[in-house]
Amino acid sequence: DQQVKQNSPSLSVQEGRISILNCDYTNSMFDYFLWYKKYPAEGPTFLISISSIKDKNEDGRFTVFLNKSAKHLSLHIVPSQPGDSAVYFCAVPGRATNKLIFGTGTLLAVQP
Amino acid sequence: DAGVIQSPRHEVTEMGQEVTLRCKPISGHNSLFWYRQTMMRGLELLIYFNNNVPIDDSGMPEDRFSAKMPNASFSTLKIQPSEPRDSAVYFCASRARENTGELFFGEGSRLTVL
Repeated sequence: DQQVKQNSPSLSVQEGRISILNCDYTNSMFDYFLWYKKYPAEGPTFLISISSIKDKNEDGRFTVFLNKSAKHLSLHIVPSQPGDSAVYFCAVPGRATNKLIFGTGTLLAVQP
Repeated sequence: DAGVIQSPRHEVTEMGQEVTLRCKPISGHNSLFWYRQTMMRGLELLIYFNNNVPIDDSGMPEDRFSAKMPNASFSTLKIQPSEPRDSAVYFCASRARENTGELFFGEGSRLTVL
């Protein structure tokens, strides 16, 4: 049973526009949520996180929004840059064992 | 400072052969994770160690897969015998302490089983 879902396998955006990546989760008890970014031939790297007690966290061009009633997480990138082209994974912590459970990822392509 | 180091970066083998993937976590990190990335399933957690002890191996696909962590600076993931459906990128990650989200990943080992 997948606890976190990313329903869009890919997204294409023009440079300078906003990129919005979405993630849905099933369990209301997660303490925090994370986004990771992965370039080809590299390992994923941590991008931004949000505590479950907040509804927004901003870091430069990246903002994560949390809608607990809808069990929905989104990552906004504005303005998008070609260097943002990568696979983005949302992740949630496993309850009992402190593991991280990742979504299937969304491939973002930012067109110059 | 060195990150998580994985070897080999690429492995091509024939069905039925044994495959061993290796990982050196970041010094001082006490949790180590093995993930597998495929197009269909994204990043799947295979097994996770805390202080060298396996905590959760529920993601290990079947008995052909085994993982060990003999000391704090080394872990192996072994597949014996390998099958074409094992072809994927295998990532090792480490974390400094529990209850924090950030994992540090290696660059991955791309396995192709013919």
